[in-house]
Amino acid sequence: GESVGLHLPTLSVQEGDNSIINCAYSNSASDYFIWYKQESGKGPQFIIDIRSNMDKRQGQRVTVLLNKTVKHLSLQIAATQPGDSAVYFCAENRPGGYNKLIFGAGTRLAVHP
Amino acid sequence: DSGVTQTPKHLITATGQRVTLRCSPRSGDLSVYWYQQSLDQGLQFLIQYYNGEERAKGNILERFSAQQFPDLHSELNLSSLELGDSALYFCASSEGQGAFGQPQHFGDGTRLSIL
Repeated sequence: GESVGLHLPTLSVQEGDNSIINCAYSNSASDYFIWYKQESGKGPQFIIDIRSNMDKRQGQRVTVLLNKTVKHLSLQIAATQPGDSAVYFCAENRPGGYNKLIFGAGTRLAVHP
Repeated sequence: DSGVTQTPKHLITATGQRVTLRCSPRSGDLSVYWYQQSLDQGLQFLIQYYNGEERAKGNILERFSAQQFPDLHSELNLSSLELGDSALYFCASSEGQGAFGQPQHFGDGTRLSIL
């Protein structure tokens, strides 16, 4: 299908390496954050979430780090695989917004064998 | 598979026309959200419904409207279509209203092309 975000920043990594995708969020009052993965022709797929009362959360091969001081979020993917190639979005939820997620612009992850 | 179903997958129509996009949420989810994704603007929130009632509005044009039916499926109606409305339209669902933030699960979208 047509690629989303043709001019997105791209992170290129070798298969087996660890990947770190960064995201700066805009609102210091945001209290909930999600990382999504979007493959070509598909909808965003939930990866992992974190609340603002936490600094770190781990999933299977993924870790999300939250630094509220500098309003920064990162997604770490261990032992990156070709199937991890996709566009990754962070999203923030602002209090009182009834789960109205504000999405970042996205980062394209390209995994090379 | 997220469990969210969107139809149709593709729509091609002309300027000035009206279309309806349909979404069935995951079983048990009461909230439905609509998003627009264009190449130059990323994912933009349009509107949220919870158990049949509108809960939150984003940058939704007056030419666009939505509703959620008693069986919880939702429809997004786009009228007086313009070339700039060409985009991917996604539906997402979540269990509750999400006042304290909760995961939204997305369908695979409807690609709308205006000729």
